[in-house]
Amino acid sequence: SQQGEEDPQALSIQEGENATMNCSYKTSINNLQWYRQNSGRGLVHLILIRSNEREKHSGRLRVTLDTSKKSSSLLITASRAADTASYFCATDDYQGGSEKLVFGKGTKLTVNP
Amino acid sequence: DAGVTQSPTHLIKTRGQQVTLRCSPKSGHDTVSWYQQALGQGPQFIFQYYEEEERQRGNFPDRFSGHQFPNYSSELNVNALLLGDSALYLCASSLLAGNNEQFFGPGTRLTVL
Repeated sequence: SQQGEEDPQALSIQEGENATMNCSYKTSINNLQWYRQNSGRGLVHLILIRSNEREKHSGRLRVTLDTSKKSSSLLITASRAADTASYFCATDDYQGGSEKLVFGKGTKLTVNP
Repeated sequence: DAGVTQSPTHLIKTRGQQVTLRCSPKSGHDTVSWYQQALGQGPQFIFQYYEEEERQRGNFPDRFSGHQFPNYSSELNVNALLLGDSALYLCASSLLAGNNEQFFGPGTRLTVL
C-alpha cells in the first residue's frame, strides 16, 4: 500500500518561480526521503530528514517535516527548466529491523523556460 | 566513487519466459533492495538482501526471487513472465548500520510481450 501521498499530482510553473510539493504519510517514521526522477529513469536522492528534525536545507532545496501532522514539504527555490521531473517522498516502514521504503505516486513538476 | 549500476538497461521478453536483472551497489554499501515501478506509479518494494539473505519481502509472488553475492552485488529473477510484469525495475543500495539512506540505480526497463 502507498504510505506517502504527494500533493499536487502535477505542478506547472515558470522558470525563476518557487515550487512547493507536499507529502502526507500514515504511520510513524524514522526518517523521510525525497527523490527526483527524470523521464522514467532512476531515482536521484535529494535529501533525508530525520523524524527529530523539523527543517533541512540543501542548495536550492528546503524540506520541512511535521510529525504531528504526518506531513512534509519540499520547496525548490528559483526553479530552472532542468528541475522538470517527478518528485517522490519515501518513508520508512520499519518492521523487525528492515527498512523498506514506501513511496507515493509523486508530483510531476514542469518548469517552463 | 561508482554509484549503483544496473544491467541491462532495457529488456524485451515474451510471456512465460524468465529474466535475470543485475545490480552492483554503491561502493561501501552492504544492503540491496529491489523495487518495481509501473508507469505513472511510485516504486513498490519487492525485497531486500543483506549478507546474502533475504531480510524482508514485499507483496510479490514467489515468481520473483533474488540473490546476493559475497561482493554485495545482487540479482533479481522473475519466472513465468506475465504482461503485468512490464515495468521499470530499480535497485537501491544502502548501509545497514546507516540511516537507511537508499541510493538508486538507473533501472532496467522490462517489456513483456
